[in-house]
Amino acid sequence: NAGVTQTPKFRILKIGQSMTLQCTQDMNHNYMYWYRQDPGMGLKLIYYSVGAGITDKGEVPNGYNVSRSTTEDFPLRLELAAPSQTSVYFCASRFDQGNQPQHFGDGTRLSIL
Amino acid sequence: GNSVTQMEGPVTLSEEAFLTINCTYTATGYPSLFWYVQYPGEGLQLLLKATKADDKGSNKGFEATYRKETTSFHLEKGSVQVSDSAVYFCALTQAGTALIFGKGTTLSVSS
Repeated sequence: NAGVTQTPKFRILKIGQSMTLQCTQDMNHNYMYWYRQDPGMGLKLIYYSVGAGITDKGEVPNGYNVSRSTTEDFPLRLELAAPSQTSVYFCASRFDQGNQPQHFGDGTRLSIL
Repeated sequence: GNSVTQMEGPVTLSEEAFLTINCTYTATGYPSLFWYVQYPGEGLQLLLKATKADDKGSNKGFEATYRKETTSFHLEKGSVQVSDSAVYFCALTQAGTALIFGKGTTLSVSS
């Protein structure tokens, strides 16, 4: 079972460059999430989606954009990379029934230099 | 708003020692509570969960009891192993909202 798959696993960007972090899940989950993890700070929610065509901001959305054209895919885009966006990014998904647990991908380590 | 507070790490133990990682929460109503574990270089994995007061979640020798009266969900294990070395996150969710995480506690177990 693939679960939640994130690509790439590692990336180095220069300031001002743009890129898209890919996330796909094969569990037919409606809910999907993007988090960033900074050292000693836990995980912070960037954006989330409750279904195809529906997205909403989380706690730290500035500098990011998302789209959800299919149930399976939830890409995260950085338009103008800044050093403050150096972090580990995690995508997660879950069923929309009750308080089901979230399933996480292995993360993307992004460095902005 | 809702929040989760975990004990500061790192926690350093010898193999077979008893483990407690404290977690308390602030929330209105009755959230669901989770412990996630993150091994080096990997994503988060669900360790255990509890969805109502007095529920006990358990998995791989770890346990945590949902205590409404003390708003706590402390993680315990009777005898830790080197392979338990990881970062542990306490989290809550309420009414289907996104997870709110504590800052994580690093556990290091030596043989």
